[in-house]
Amino acid sequence: AQTVTQSQPEMSVQEAETVTLSCTYDTSESDYYLFWYKQPPSRQMILVIRQEAYKQQNATENRFSVNFQKAAKSFSLKISDSQLGDAAMYFCAYRSASGDDKIIFGKGTRLHILP
Amino acid sequence: DARVTQTPRHKVTEMGQEVTMRCQPILGHNTVFWYRQTMMQGLELLAYFRNRAPLDDSGMPKDRFSAEMPDATLATLKIQPSEPRDSAVYFCASGLTGKTYNEQFFGPGTRLTVL
Repeated sequence: AQTVTQSQPEMSVQEAETVTLSCTYDTSESDYYLFWYKQPPSRQMILVIRQEAYKQQNATENRFSVNFQKAAKSFSLKISDSQLGDAAMYFCAYRSASGDDKIIFGKGTRLHILP
Repeated sequence: DARVTQTPRHKVTEMGQEVTMRCQPILGHNTVFWYRQTMMQGLELLAYFRNRAPLDDSGMPKDRFSAEMPDATLATLKIQPSEPRDSAVYFCASGLTGKTYNEQFFGPGTRLTVL
């Protein structure tokens, strides 16, 4: 069974600095999808960025980028120029490309932005 | 702007009462997921539907919880009788099988408090 591990329950970063959130996963599959979701205090789950395992190029969305290391089964999220609005819980997630609709979520990392 | 909607947003009830939560998936989506989020357990998958058929409800306490999709535009999650340990935020999410990433889009959640 696939698992997703986020080893940092909480992190803090100074406003305008860069922070990296870690995520590792375990799977025997070769094709899959990875996601980062953000959950701000409003509780709304928002998709931040996504990556297909067969794409070697790391995904980027404005200030958000990932470092996808397939061999290491690592999928970290980098937030550049951190803003107060980035304070949230961040969830790493995995979905098999085999036809399963279910997404497996990590436990989350709470990110604090220090002014 | 297509969104998943959930009602009610907040519900306070007394132990033993029936609770019904409703979800309207994004029009055209064919998968619906119910999650429960608590501080202790994180995000738990309760039930999952594809094309209105229940595919997985292994995460749901069978004795008191039930999930249905009366039609493609409505999913319901019912708790009867409710207990204080059911207090949590319940999320509905929808997706579209066959779409490349098949990411899930979340509703705003229902915060349930059982006294």
